Amino acid sequence: SAVISQKPSRDICQRGTSLTIQCQVDSQVTMMFWYRQQPGQSLTLIATANQGSEATYESGFVIDKFPISRPNLTFSTLTVSNMSPEDSSIYLCSAGTGAYNEQFFGPGTRLTVL
Amino acid sequence: AQRVTQPEKLLSVFKGAPVELKCNYSYSGSPELFWYVQYSRQRLQLLLRHISRESIKGFTADLNKGETSFHLKKPFAQEEDSAMYYCALHAGFQKLVFGTGTRLLVSP
Repeated sequence: SAVISQKPSRDICQRGTSLTIQCQVDSQVTMMFWYRQQPGQSLTLIATANQGSEATYESGFVIDKFPISRPNLTFSTLTVSNMSPEDSSIYLCSAGTGAYNEQFFGPGTRLTVL
Repeated sequence: AQRVTQPEKLLSVFKGAPVELKCNYSYSGSPELFWYVQYSRQRLQLLLRHISRESIKGFTADLNKGETSFHLKKPFAQEEDSAMYYCALHAGFQKLVFGTGTRLLVSP
C-alpha cells in the first residue's frame, strides 16, 4: 500500500483566483490520479498525472482549467484555475501501486469558492 | 461503455441483520472490481478486491459475470459498519470508474 498526503486540507477562495493542491506519496508510484467529488456525488476522474509527460485528461476536463504537474514519482500538483463557485468540491489524489490495479487515496482537499 | 451502477443511495438496517449492497457493472472485457469504504471523517480506503476472493471485516463479494454483478454482503451487520460504500471497476491503465455509492446505516 501507499500513504498519501495532501495540502491544503481545505481552503476558501475567491472567484477568479487559482489554487494549487499538492499530493505527496510515501513511496515511488507509477500512476497518480486526480479526482473531483462534488457534494453528494461520486468520484469523477479528472486526469492521470504522468511522470515526465503531460497529464491525460478525461472528457470534460481541460489542461487550461486544471493544469497538473508530476515532477517525480512521489509528487504531483493540481491547480484549479480561474475558479467559480461551481468548482466547490473535494479534490482527491490517488496512487496506483500496480499490484492489483487498486488505488490508494489521499484525505482530500475541500475547496469552497465564494 | 464502462459503467458501475449502485441502485441504492441509502440502506438502513438493524444491528445483527444481513446486509447486501448491490453493484452492477458494464464492461466489455474481463472485469476487475473493488469495493471501497469511507467512514465518517476518514479517507476513502480499499475494502476488498474480487481477484483476492477475500473476506474483510466479515464482508464478502462474489463476481457474477452472468448477472454482471459484484454485490457486497455481510451476514450480521455491526454499528461500526455504518459508512459510505463505493463499488469500482478497473477501466484499464489503472483507472477506476466508481459507482455513485451507497450509504449504509446500521442502527442499534
